[in-house]
Amino acid sequence: DIQMTQSPSSVSASVGDRVTITCQASQGISTWLAWYQQKPGKAPKLLIYDASNLHSGVPSRFSGSGSGTDFTLTISSLQPEDFATYYCQQSNSFPLTFGGGTKVEIK
Amino acid sequence: QVQLQESGPGLVKPSETLSLTCSVSGGSISNYYWSWIRQPPGKGLEWLGYIFHSGSTKYNPSLESRVSMSGDTSKNQISLKMTSVTAADAAVYFCARWLPDAAGSFVFWGQGILVIVSS
Repeated sequence: DIQMTQSPSSVSASVGDRVTITCQASQGISTWLAWYQQKPGKAPKLLIYDASNLHSGVPSRFSGSGSGTDFTLTISSLQPEDFATYYCQQSNSFPLTFGGGTKVEIK
Repeated sequence: QVQLQESGPGLVKPSETLSLTCSVSGGSISNYYWSWIRQPPGKGLEWLGYIFHSGSTKYNPSLESRVSMSGDTSKNQISLKMTSVTAADAAVYFCARWLPDAAGSFVFWGQGILVIVSS
């Protein structure tokens, strides 16, 4: 199985801050990577697919980059509604696997 | 807009079989891949497997001996069965549509259903 390691596991930030979350795959996955946002009691929502493509309707302050084993999700200017947990997910090979999550908390 | 809704018993006894249904509206289940994903309380996400409308399936090897998925095009529903459940199977179970053409991402999700395993 491909292991997906996210860091940090949690981050405290203020509204307006730039936040960067990283995701490392245990082996190369090209750009077969997606990012999701999950709020308590809700299903995850797709933000980014193919490592850097913004899903329809997702604000442009979200961006993704990377290929191979190292990936980044950036929120350019944190908004109140962005406080949530973020997960990466690979689809390069089965079983599909997710990172452990990064919780973005209010500072 | 495609909408998914999970349903089934919220409480299952240890060693029994968990059975869940995902009802899809706003689109047909045909020609798409449908997955089940679970999340133990306070923990991360685990992919259980997928079913293609034709009936082809692929399961997570960690659960393959206990999991089966099926589809009913007449009801536009996807089903999950998991045998011999234990406390470790307690989780919120989500159904989701998997898009191989969008780098294998999950675009549409159900709201999830909490399953407790207890006698």
